[in-house]
Amino acid sequence: DVHLVETGGGLIQSGGSLRLSCAVSGFSVRDNYMTWVRQAPGEGLEWVSIFYPGGGTDYADSVKGRITSSRDNFRNTVYLELNDLRPDDTAMYYCARRHTANWAHQWWGQGTLVTVSS
Amino acid sequence: QSALTQPPSASGSPGQSVTISCTGSSSDIGGYDFVSWYQQYSGKAPKLLIYEVTKRPSGVPDRFSGSKSGNTASLTVSGLQPEDEADYYCGSFARRNNYVFGTGTKVTVL
Repeated sequence: DVHLVETGGGLIQSGGSLRLSCAVSGFSVRDNYMTWVRQAPGEGLEWVSIFYPGGGTDYADSVKGRITSSRDNFRNTVYLELNDLRPDDTAMYYCARRHTANWAHQWWGQGTLVTVSS
Repeated sequence: QSALTQPPSASGSPGQSVTISCTGSSSDIGGYDFVSWYQQYSGKAPKLLIYEVTKRPSGVPDRFSGSKSGNTASLTVSGLQPEDEADYYCGSFARRNNYVFGTGTKVTVL
């Protein structure tokens, strides 16, 4: 069985930082494309970042420079560090496994809510 | 980055069909066959419905089908059922921005 469990969300003041975690079971994060997707309240999905099997990363322009994605192979966990948070970063943050070849986001966690107060 | 364009809403009676469009550009939908569709119930995580334009993961009913023409992809839900009432999002590989989702369509079963 595959499970992705996000934690680390909460209420934070504007300008603050948070680190989100995504603990995975059922497959190895080391060998897979791990992404973060966020969804502001009442809004659509927004792709945020990806961590490649080889260790590279890519980020959406809207968050570039303020977020860092990382991975712990031993804990089979991926992380998303959010810095200089702004009210428009308020969203549910989901981690997902992106299929290697077809780019589909195949498995999703339940999400963790980040609320940024001004 | 710009989201793919979907109609905000669509509706149909039980048993009818509804088709949702998803319009992008030659840099995403039009240039690659990496279009996916996701179903999201309120308060829940998205679920993959369609990948590579037309393919269904195991367990997804064949009432859901996908297609593409030019820069526009479509999702058709045939034989609408009450449990199909949800939000639907398209997504695609995007040459400039890695990956882009659609704006989302709320499907209502009348």
